[in-house]
Amino acid sequence: DGGITQSPKYLFRKEGQNVTLSCEQNLNHDAMYWYRQDPGQGLRLIYYSQIVNDFQKGDIAEGYSVSREKKESFPLTVTSAQKNPTAFYLCASSSPGTGGTELFFGEGSRLTVL
Amino acid sequence: AQSVTQPDIHITVSEGASLELRCNYSYGATPYLFWYVQSPGQGLQLLLKYFSGDTLVQGIKGFEAEFKRSQSSFNLRKPSVHWSDAAEYFCAVGPIYNQGGKLIFGQGTELSVKP
Repeated sequence: DGGITQSPKYLFRKEGQNVTLSCEQNLNHDAMYWYRQDPGQGLRLIYYSQIVNDFQKGDIAEGYSVSREKKESFPLTVTSAQKNPTAFYLCASSSPGTGGTELFFGEGSRLTVL
Repeated sequence: AQSVTQPDIHITVSEGASLELRCNYSYGATPYLFWYVQSPGQGLQLLLKYFSGDTLVQGIKGFEAEFKRSQSSFNLRKPSVHWSDAAEYFCAVGPIYNQGGKLIFGQGTELSVKP
């Protein structure tokens, strides 16, 4: 079945460590996104990529980095510069063929900094 | 400024009762509107969407929503709530044409269902 796979589902990290969250999609979608979710704050856009080898900052990009070397993959690195990294992270994808801005989401990754 | 407001942070309804979740938006162009549902610890699932045509749209799981341009609203309704509807619901607005897929999400409404 087509979909978006995020891993790991749960991740613990010590302060000062970088951590990378994986996002893979087999929907053949051009665009991919990373959102951060905190209680009571809805979803906030971290980074997005519309094509391979290109990506743009979202509303809260500081302390995060991404790469888009393959169409199906869009990993997110949470760096030690992110001051409050504990959150639920959601990856999504979209394609013009599906109506434009309709997003398809993965199951999420919960990061906890100890 | 572009924004989405969901005035109710938490709503509790009895099983079998009707439900209406409110959503108001501020958007400079013709909007593309969505409702998503999220179960605890899970991703978001699309319930329904609207960008043109009949202003009353039907979605999955028996949900519907009505677009009211004059009120800048896109309220979600269900005639009879089931216990399995307990979840968080997000309203979102975005451009009709793919311009970076920058949906703007509301803060969410958490729905609890009493037996």
